[in-house]
Amino acid sequence: DQQVKQNSPSLSVQEGRISILNCDYTNSMFDYFLWYKKYPAEGPTFLISISSIKDKNEDGRFTVFLNKSAKHLSLHIVPSQPGDSAVYFCAASKPGGGSEKLVFGKGTKLTVNP
Amino acid sequence: KAGVTQTPRYLIKTRGQQVTLSCSPISGHRSVSWYQQTPGQGLQFLFEYFSETQRNKGNFPGRFSGRQFSNSRSEMNVSTLELGDSALYLCASSSASGPNYEQYFGPGTRLTVT
Repeated sequence: DQQVKQNSPSLSVQEGRISILNCDYTNSMFDYFLWYKKYPAEGPTFLISISSIKDKNEDGRFTVFLNKSAKHLSLHIVPSQPGDSAVYFCAASKPGGGSEKLVFGKGTKLTVNP
Repeated sequence: KAGVTQTPRYLIKTRGQQVTLSCSPISGHRSVSWYQQTPGQGLQFLFEYFSETQRNKGNFPGRFSGRQFSNSRSEMNVSTLELGDSALYLCASSSASGPNYEQYFGPGTRLTVT
């Protein structure tokens, strides 16, 4: 039972355009959501997070939107740059802390074409 | 500050053998978590150690075990290797336990079981 789903395994966009990566979750107990970026041969790096009490969080070119009623979150990258090409993982956690409660999606490979 | 280091980076083992992977967290970090990444399953939580104690364990068989030393370095061991254990094993450290504390990932150990 996959609780966090990233239904698009890959996404290709042109440099300068917007990249939108989507993530759906099934467990309404999740209250904290994170996005990680992973380059080949490197570990994932934290990108941005959002608490369930918010519906938007922005950090520079990166914005995460949360729609609790739809159990859906998205990561917007504007403008996209070739250096953003990586695999993006969505993750969710339940109250109580502990990384055992961090559930990851399978990732979306983003390619930004010059 | 030095990042999370994992050794070895690559490993090839035969079915039935056992393997030990090592993780050195960021200095001062007391929480170390282990994840298995495979193309089909994404990142799956193995276990977390905090101050030498295993806090929680994911849904993996008993062949997967770990430990943490007083200097916070951690090892994970997989006994009686199976072909399906071929994966990227990632270690992440954080200053404390809980998803709100940013996890810093190492580059991973790529294990191939033949």
